[in-house]
Amino acid sequence: IAGITQAPTSQILAAGRRMTLRCTQDMRHNAMYWYRQDLGLGLRLIHYSNTAGTTGKGEVPDGYSVSRANTDDFPLTLASAVPSQTSVYFCASSDSLTGFGANVLTFGAGSRLTVL
Amino acid sequence: GQNIDQPTEMTATEGAIVQINCTYQTSGFNGLFWYQQHAGEAPTFLSYNVLDGLEEKGRFSSFLSRSKGYSYLLLKELQMKDSASYLCAVKDSNYQLIWGAGTKLIIKP
Repeated sequence: IAGITQAPTSQILAAGRRMTLRCTQDMRHNAMYWYRQDLGLGLRLIHYSNTAGTTGKGEVPDGYSVSRANTDDFPLTLASAVPSQTSVYFCASSDSLTGFGANVLTFGAGSRLTVL
Repeated sequence: GQNIDQPTEMTATEGAIVQINCTYQTSGFNGLFWYQQHAGEAPTFLSYNVLDGLEEKGRFSSFLSRSKGYSYLLLKELQMKDSASYLCAVKDSNYQLIWGAGTKLIIKP
């Protein structure tokens, strides 16, 4: 693999079910992110991780959790899915989280989730 | 609140030039980014501006005016493959990225 791999590509889920979206990167980037993208809205940050072992809340964290056990993996879990979580989810990574300069994000191909 | 404004949709002709504007109101400024996103695909990085002026990269150029809270992306010699959404994002004083909703660019032959 080269870059970021997300799985599944697409999923239909019943409300109330638990779901984990997987994200793996092979660029040894320190920072990783989960965004959701909804029609008519900009990308919104759900959770982020500055480095392995640390995570932080973004703009829309409610209903989601993440873990960062190692550098490469950053799974996103919906404990009990609701229809408002229907969205396209993008995992991304960068060399570093903060700081001056162009911390360019590399994105995965996205996971399209539909909650019924 | 923080806000990024871009036109929702623009149409241009193959071979022509198009300018996509982005205005922003954010708490602080630490750089402005443009990303390209083809339908059903991931966003990919196009350009970064932190100082006023024009940055040119092949057929694409990006301009920034910090005093006006304004940027534009200029695409020259348009090709059909340029049909995509173009996302403007600003890094605020907390180094958080604030994203615009994107401009869908339609290229006609």
